[in-house]
Amino acid sequence: ETGVTQTPRHLVMGMTNKKSLKCEQHLGHNAMYWYKQSAKKPLELMFVYSLEERVENNSVPSRFSPECPNSSHLFLHLHTLQPEDSALYLCASSHNRVSGANVLTFGAGSRLTVL
Amino acid sequence: RKEVEQDPGPFNVPEGATVAFNCTYSNSASQSFFWYRQDCRKEPKLLMSVYSSGNEDGRFTAQLNRASQYISLLIRDSKLSDSATYLCVVNAVMDTGRRALTFGSGTRLQVQP
Repeated sequence: ETGVTQTPRHLVMGMTNKKSLKCEQHLGHNAMYWYKQSAKKPLELMFVYSLEERVENNSVPSRFSPECPNSSHLFLHLHTLQPEDSALYLCASSHNRVSGANVLTFGAGSRLTVL
Repeated sequence: RKEVEQDPGPFNVPEGATVAFNCTYSNSASQSFFWYRQDCRKEPKLLMSVYSSGNEDGRFTAQLNRASQYISLLIRDSKLSDSATYLCVVNAVMDTGRRALTFGSGTRLQVQP
């Protein structure tokens, strides 16, 4: 496989469920990201793992928990979500350059619906 | 003020038309700039980076005006396949020393036959 692969592509869950989103990249990148995309809003950065350091957006609720076991795999664990968490969750990867541009390659996304 | 601001559109243009999108950014420390394209129900994909001197890729021309803090994208001879949402993306070094990519909400383009 090549590029950035996300599973599942679609997920419907209740507010009491626990589920996980998975992302895998085969590009040799050393940074991985979770973004949230809601209708008519800009992409919102949730978490970044870069050179084994985790950076997070402080506004992300604790019901979202990321895990990055190695530079090729990224998970987003979901627990007791709310209906307003329904959105497209995009994984991305990039090289992490100290200077210069970090061009992102996105996965196809996991569309989450919380009932 | 939004960090990256775009006119949401939609821009409805006929095939063959020339269309231009602008994007303004608020962080003067921004160093890198991009245009991404997102088709309906698909992921964003890099269209082109934007360089200080301006750059062209076929029918697409991107320009940067640092003094006024805006970026533009010009599409000539529009094709039906150009219909998509165009995302302006800015990479700035924050006070923490970390770099962060900030996305605009996107400008929707609909090219009509």
